[in-house]
Amino acid sequence: EAQVTQNPRYLITVTGKKLTVTCSQNMNHEYMSWYRQDPGLGLRQIYYSMNVEVTDKGDVPEGYKVSRKEKRNFPLILESPSPNQTSLYFCASSPRGGRSYEQYFGPGTRLTVT
Amino acid sequence: AQSVTQPDIHITVSEGASLELRCNYSYGATPYLFWYVQSPGQGLQLLLKYFSGDTLVQGIKGFEAEFKRSQSSFNLRKPSVHWSDAAEYFCAVVGTASKLTFGTGTRLQVTL
Repeated sequence: EAQVTQNPRYLITVTGKKLTVTCSQNMNHEYMSWYRQDPGLGLRQIYYSMNVEVTDKGDVPEGYKVSRKEKRNFPLILESPSPNQTSLYFCASSPRGGRSYEQYFGPGTRLTVT
Repeated sequence: AQSVTQPDIHITVSEGASLELRCNYSYGATPYLFWYVQSPGQGLQLLLKYFSGDTLVQGIKGFEAEFKRSQSSFNLRKPSVHWSDAAEYFCAVVGTASKLTFGTGTRLQVTL
């Protein structure tokens, strides 16, 4: 089944403890992206990747890192999480970067930082 | 800069009634527009999209949307709502680097 998977789905952690949220897609998509969803703000893009080894900042990149060493994986790294990073995170992928391609979303990761 | 406005935070309709969710966008060129639905605890599912051509687009689950350039709108409609349509709905426009800019969402409640 074609899908975007994220792990973990739920995570509670403490301030400053490094964590990684994994994202993997099995559709051979070139483009991948991370969004965060907050009440009243909708979804905002954190980082995106046009292809392997090509990443760039979205609208809210502060406090996050990403890497794209393989086409299928696009992990989101929080080096020193803070409570304001408590949010619902979505990974998405599309066949290519470009406006006419639909983005497919993962199931989301709910992160709580205490 | 691109932006999307969904003026209705919360809408309640009776099952069987018609539905219209409003969406206004701002984009400097021809917009590519999407409607997504998010059921409780779920990810986002694409309902429909508009790139060009016919301004009335059909989507899944009986939804449709009409693109009106003069009003910068892309409203979502359904003739008869089912209880299973209760969810949050997001309108989005895609810009450079495939960035989706979402509205803040409209939560739909369906009463029986």
